[in-house]
Amino acid sequence: AQSVTQPDIHITVSEGASLELRCNYSYGATPYLFWYVQSPGQGLQLLLKYFSGDTLVQGIKGFEAEFKRSQSSFNLRKPSVHWSDAAEYFCAVGAVLLAAGNKLTFGGGTRVLVKP
Amino acid sequence: SAVISQKPSRDICQRGTSLTIQCQVDSQVTMMFWYRQQPGQSLTLIATANQGSEATYESGFVIDKFPISRPNLTFSTLTVSNMSPEDSSIYLCSVEERERDTQYFGPGTRLTVL
Repeated sequence: AQSVTQPDIHITVSEGASLELRCNYSYGATPYLFWYVQSPGQGLQLLLKYFSGDTLVQGIKGFEAEFKRSQSSFNLRKPSVHWSDAAEYFCAVGAVLLAAGNKLTFGGGTRVLVKP
Repeated sequence: SAVISQKPSRDICQRGTSLTIQCQVDSQVTMMFWYRQQPGQSLTLIATANQGSEATYESGFVIDKFPISRPNLTFSTLTVSNMSPEDSSIYLCSVEERERDTQYFGPGTRLTVL
């Protein structure tokens, strides 16, 4: 069975500083990997995804993530954080099952607080 | 990406009652999903809903408690039946765009059961 671990429950970062959120997955084949962001009171917005090819993927809002197969990781990064980046971030792994679509398993989430 | 709306956005309900949540998409999609997000928790898949067939429920979720309808390719409903305070959660629907192998989420329905 697939699983996702986000080791950091909370991260506090100063505005303008860099941010890295960790994600480790367990999956028996090449995974489909996603990062979503949930702002307070909102639904989930897709930041970026990895299916294959270049292991460094660019997303919206200046985010990027790097797939490292040897470490089973898909860490999310942003060079300079803005106050509007304060939100909860979810990493997810997808299993492509023809009968049931792309079932997603989510990590526990990391809440990011941005200090002025 | 698809634009997804949910109704209601939030509700406060009494124990023992039922609430039906609607999910509307602005384009035809094959796969729709319903998730639950309990307070302070991550998302858990409740069921997968294909148009024209019975929903497929995940372990721990049953049709009697969470009946789902999927009458066409743009609409689905989730009913939370015989509610208890433990059902207080955010319920989110999502759709899969097959050509992108990606799920997009609605804004969620915040349910409080007293």
